[in-house]
Amino acid sequence: KAGVTQTPRYLIKTRGQQVTLSCSPISGHRSVSWYQQTPGQGLQFLFEYFSETQRNKGNFPGRFSGRQFSNSRSEMNVSTLELGDSALYLCASSLHGGETEAFFGQGTRLTVV
Amino acid sequence: AQSVTQLDSQVPVFEEAPVELRCNYSSSVSVYLFWYVQYPNQGLQLLLKYLSGSTLVKGINGFEAEFNKSQTSFHLRKPSVHISDTAEYFCAVSSLKAAGNKLTFGGGTRVLVKP
Repeated sequence: KAGVTQTPRYLIKTRGQQVTLSCSPISGHRSVSWYQQTPGQGLQFLFEYFSETQRNKGNFPGRFSGRQFSNSRSEMNVSTLELGDSALYLCASSLHGGETEAFFGQGTRLTVV
Repeated sequence: AQSVTQLDSQVPVFEEAPVELRCNYSSSVSVYLFWYVQYPNQGLQLLLKYLSGSTLVKGINGFEAEFNKSQTSFHLRKPSVHISDTAEYFCAVSSLKAAGNKLTFGGGTRVLVKP
């Protein structure tokens, strides 16, 4: 069974640009969550999608957005990049969230210069 | 809202010695509890989880954790560590009431196993 796949693995962007990250969940999983990991703030929840609807949202500015497609694949977008957006972005999928196990991808490391 | 505190940011330990990683949480509602491990340049892998029932939970790779409701703690233990246990460990909670998968993580504990 294939795991959670995140693409690309590494990205370098310039301040002010926008970026789109992709996450393919485990087959059959309908919940996809996104997290930002930085040395200073640790792991922080961005948002969760379930059946193409945003079900939960963290405390991030509107520059961070996401969506989920009918095949449960998800994308997150960050517009007007700032240096502080440099981080490892992790995607996690689960059957339906809650008590079900979240399986994490290897992450996309975004560097903003 | 929930918060998670991992009391030790780094724990050095010798190979074959026991290790305990401490986790305390705060929440106004009942929570599920999790421990995850992250190896360098990798995502997170679930070690174990507490949903309900027995307060002693056994996980993968010989890890176990004990849920203590009165102390709001969920400490992780392993009786004998290996070099391969060198990694960062994260304690996390999610609300029973809220639908969906929204984990609140502690700051992490780096375990360095020395030969």
